Order: sequence, then C-alpha cells, then structure tokens
Amino acid sequence: EVQLLESGGGLVQPGGSLRLSCAASGFTFTRYAMTWVRQAPGKGLEWVSAISFTGDTSYYADSVKGRFTISRDNSKNTLYLQMNSLRADDTAVYYCAKDFYRVPTIFDFWGQGTLVTVSS
Amino acid sequence: EIVMTQSPATLSVSPGERATLSCRASQSVSSNLAWYQQKPGQAPRLLIYGASTRATGIPARFSGSGSGTEFTLTINSLQSEDFAVYYCQQYNNWPPLTFGGGTKVEIK
Repeated sequence: EVQLLESGGGLVQPGGSLRLSCAASGFTFTRYAMTWVRQAPGKGLEWVSAISFTGDTSYYADSVKGRFTISRDNSKNTLYLQMNSLRADDTAVYYCAKDFYRVPTIFDFWGQGTLVTVSS
Repeated sequence: EIVMTQSPATLSVSPGERATLSCRASQSVSSNLAWYQQKPGQAPRLLIYGASTRATGIPARFSGSGSGTEFTLTINSLQSEDFAVYYCQQYNNWPPLTFGGGTKVEIK
C-alpha cells in the first residue's frame, strides 16, 4: 500500500523558514517523480514544485522560485521542501504527491497534507 | 502558462442524476488532462487521466471526454459519496502544471 506521510508544518513568522518532509513507502520511490501541491484555506489546488525520479532536475512555480527548494533522498525514500522567506500567502496545506511517471505529470497518490501558517 | 477554467463553480444535483462538469484550457493540451476528486478534509484523489482513462479503482460511472481545449467529466447516477469538489489539471505544457479552480458538486 502506497503511503505518503508529510511532516514539518507549523506556525512561522513572515520571513521565516520551514522544512517539510514526506516519507514514502509501499512503492519503489526511485522510479517516480515527486511533487508538492498546496491548497490555501478555502481555495483550490496550486502546483508548487516537482523533482525528477533521479533528483537531477527540479521545477518550481513562479510564486516560489528562488525561495523554495525541493530535494529528495532516495536512500531514505524521503522528499523535502525547504521553504525560505515565507510570506503570508504561502499559508496553505502542503501535499506531497507521487507522480504517475518518472517526470512530473499527474499525481496518483497523495499524502494527507501538512499545514503551514505564516503569521506574526 | 496554460490557464484552466472550470464551470460551473457549483453544480446542484439530486442523487441518482447525472452531473456534467466542464473544463476549458487557454490553449490546446491535447489529451493531457486529468481529473481529481476532493472531499472535505481529505487529499485529492486521481479519477481520470489522458482525458478519458479511469484511474485504478475508479467506478465506471465516472467518465471523461474531450481533447484540445474542451473537456468534460460526467458522473452518472450520482451516489452520496460523489458529492465533492472536482478539479481538472493539464500536464501538456509545463512548468507550471496547472489546475482549474474546481467545481463543487452539491446535493440538490
């Protein structure tokens, strides 16, 4: 059974940093791209960042480019999102999602999400 | 960036009836279109990819159609568990991968 377990969310002040983690199990982690998608309170889904199955290539939404860094540790089956210079509009539930393919496309399994609140 | 527009924002349907949801892309995405279902407090679930292929375990009452810029998700004989928010997502031109704003299917 595929499981994705996010952690690391919480309350942070504007300008602060957080590092999200996503522990994956139940599938061969090294074979698939991985993605972060976020959802602001009461709003729709927004793609944030993705990383190739090898970790060699990463992609970012313009809204987070230069502030967020995605990475993966294939030896630990874990995906990360380092978030710096956080702003109030980064407040959202952040979902880790497994891609259907080796490149970012569609997301066939999702974690339950971790809430990030940016507020003073 | 490809903008995905879903309509209507809210659809009121009686149980047992059919729901038809629309998704329009600002430029052609070929058949590289997926649909997701999200219930309150839950993560999204993949329903359809390739515009018309049901994901594993998705009931046959869910069907997708369309190509290019116009897509439809049809839910036949709505069940109580189908009342949720539905999102379309294109994966033809990226980054960014983009979602529509969602259609809420509510009980009439």
